[in-house]
Amino acid sequence: NAGVTQTPKFQVLKTGQSMTLQCAQDMNHNSMYWYRQDPGMGLRLIYYSASEGTTDKGEVPNGYNVSRLNKREFSLRLESAAPSQTSVYFCASSQTFPSSYNEQFFGPGTRLTVL
Amino acid sequence: AQSVTQLGSHVSVSEGALVLLRCNYSSSVPPYLFWYVQYPNQGLQLLLKYTSAATLVKGINGFEAEFKKSETSFHLTKPSAHMRDAAEYFCAVSTGGADGLTFGKGTHLIIQP
Repeated sequence: NAGVTQTPKFQVLKTGQSMTLQCAQDMNHNSMYWYRQDPGMGLRLIYYSASEGTTDKGEVPNGYNVSRLNKREFSLRLESAAPSQTSVYFCASSQTFPSSYNEQFFGPGTRLTVL
Repeated sequence: AQSVTQLGSHVSVSEGALVLLRCNYSSSVPPYLFWYVQYPNQGLQLLLKYTSAATLVKGINGFEAEFKKSETSFHLTKPSAHMRDAAEYFCAVSTGGADGLTFGKGTHLIIQP
């Protein structure tokens, strides 16, 4: 099992460009998450999908959109990138039903730089 | 709403010494608690979790943590530090359900030879 995979690993964008970060999991988990990690800030939740067909905003959703394409895949889109979105982005998945304690499994991350 | 406070953004210990990384949480309901480790340029790996069973939880790589409800703490310890333990450590809390985890800001553990 590959676990949680993310593409690309690295990306450089110019301000105003758009891009989509891809995430897939092969653990048959029902819930998926996007976080961003900034120095000294820990990880902050951008969006999550509790189950296929649903998405909800997290702590820092502005400037992002998501799509839960199917049970395996959850993408994050930046429509018009800004330098403030320079960060490391992590995707995670979890089996939140019937278990409720939400142990999350993380991908390797995407390092995004916006110039 | 829940929150997590990790005391000390950087902790330095000598190889072979005790490791103690502090985590305090705030939650309106009984929490589930996690410690994750992040090695340079990698994703997060689960070290251990508290899910309301035993209050002393053992994890991988010789780490353990004790849930103390009266102190709202979940400190991470290891009796003897090894050079390979140098990494970033994150404490996180969940109140159950499918909401995201709430993370502390992280503690960078430095091991001195």
